[in-house]
Amino acid sequence: AQSVTQLGSHVSVSEGALVLLRCNYSSSVPPYLFWYVQYPNQGLQLLLKYTTGATLVKGINGFEAEFKKSETSFHLTKPSAHMSDAAEYFCAVKFQTGANNLFFGTGTRLTVIP
Amino acid sequence: NAGVTQTPKFRVLKTGQSMTLLCAQDMNHEYMYWYRQDPGMGLRLIHYSVGEGTTAKGEVPDGYNVSRLKKQNFLLGLESAAPSQTSVYFCASSPGTGSYHYGYTFGSGTRLTVV
Repeated sequence: AQSVTQLGSHVSVSEGALVLLRCNYSSSVPPYLFWYVQYPNQGLQLLLKYTTGATLVKGINGFEAEFKKSETSFHLTKPSAHMSDAAEYFCAVKFQTGANNLFFGTGTRLTVIP
Repeated sequence: NAGVTQTPKFRVLKTGQSMTLLCAQDMNHEYMYWYRQDPGMGLRLIHYSVGEGTTAKGEVPDGYNVSRLKKQNFLLGLESAAPSQTSVYFCASSPGTGSYHYGYTFGSGTRLTVV
């Protein structure tokens, strides 16, 4: 079955530390992959996406993610956390077969400790 | 450039009441979607539309109806609200299908409480 999984519903990091948010998918065909960020009481904003081409993609606010087909993963990273990064992050997947819509993970809430 | 606009932003309903949530986009997008967001469950697709006059069921369609009479508008209706429909509702739009999927543009959400 096709699915998307985010490991860790809550992640805490110190300001200046590495941010690593995990996302894995289950699909026989590599899907299109997205990361969205949601700040409190706001809608979701696209951080970055992978469709084809280079497997390391850079997004806004210093975030990047690497598509690893062998690990069926698309983890989100940022070298140095900033207080303004505190938000909820959603991994989303568009499977290349089946319904033409995004499937979202359950989200990871990032807390940045000063 | 408004993007995706949702109205209302907040609403409290009594059980059994009906209401309509309006979503409007000004980007000439073909596809539109309604999601609900609940704690620990991420976003779940309620209904979607791939063009004017078309609608389709998503993952959790029960208790909701939709209409897309105009390309720019996508309405979500609750005929008889239940407490289980207390949620934050998001509308989104996208250009459509093709070799690349450009991701969605989201509205700011409607927080609905059913008492």
